[in-house]
Amino acid sequence: GDSVTQMEGPVTLSEEAFLTINCTYTATGYPSLFWYVQYPGEGLQLLLKATKADDKGSNKGFEATYRKETTSFHLEKGSVQVSDSAVYFCALSPYNFNKFYFGSGTKLNVKP
Amino acid sequence: NAGVTQTPKFQVLKTGQSMTLQCAQDMNHEYMSWYRQDPGMGLRLIHYSVGAGITDQGEVPNGYNVSRSTTEDFPLRLLSAAPSQTSVYFCASSRPGAGELFFGEGSRLTVL
Repeated sequence: GDSVTQMEGPVTLSEEAFLTINCTYTATGYPSLFWYVQYPGEGLQLLLKATKADDKGSNKGFEATYRKETTSFHLEKGSVQVSDSAVYFCALSPYNFNKFYFGSGTKLNVKP
Repeated sequence: NAGVTQTPKFQVLKTGQSMTLQCAQDMNHEYMSWYRQDPGMGLRLIHYSVGAGITDQGEVPNGYNVSRSTTEDFPLRLLSAAPSQTSVYFCASSRPGAGELFFGEGSRLTVL
């Protein structure tokens, strides 16, 4: 079945450090891929998405590229800020978006 | 902008009690869903609906019932609560084919 695997956390970085959070997926067909972010005490919100191979999603300085050959969608940011501290979820959805499959989440702590 | 509204935000139940988690959205989204979030396991789909009168099971439907009588509302019913249902529950909605889920703020349920 469809599934998402992402790196375990927590990830602790100093401000302005480079961030990578790894995400790999298993799916039949050609799913869409997403990164959602959850700030403390809040629901999840969409950070970025990519709907086909080689697409790059980007938002707020975060980027992720849909790599079909490696079944990956790693999240990157060149310079993190304290305000980026949150839990990040990788997710996939089959073509009709009726079901979403989420990874276990990676908590990011950014220290000043 | 209300978006997706969940009530209650917190609830404590005793084993065997029943209750309903309410979810309402004001964006005229046809698709609505319920997830549970457990530590280390990410979000898991309980039930979803693609429109009024249509519901289907997700990954972990046992012990939960749903109905969809209107586009706006999608309540989740626990028929006989068990400690294993202690979790944070999220309701989410989206437009068909849009690929972006809009989440409520969550309902934290504790079953003693």
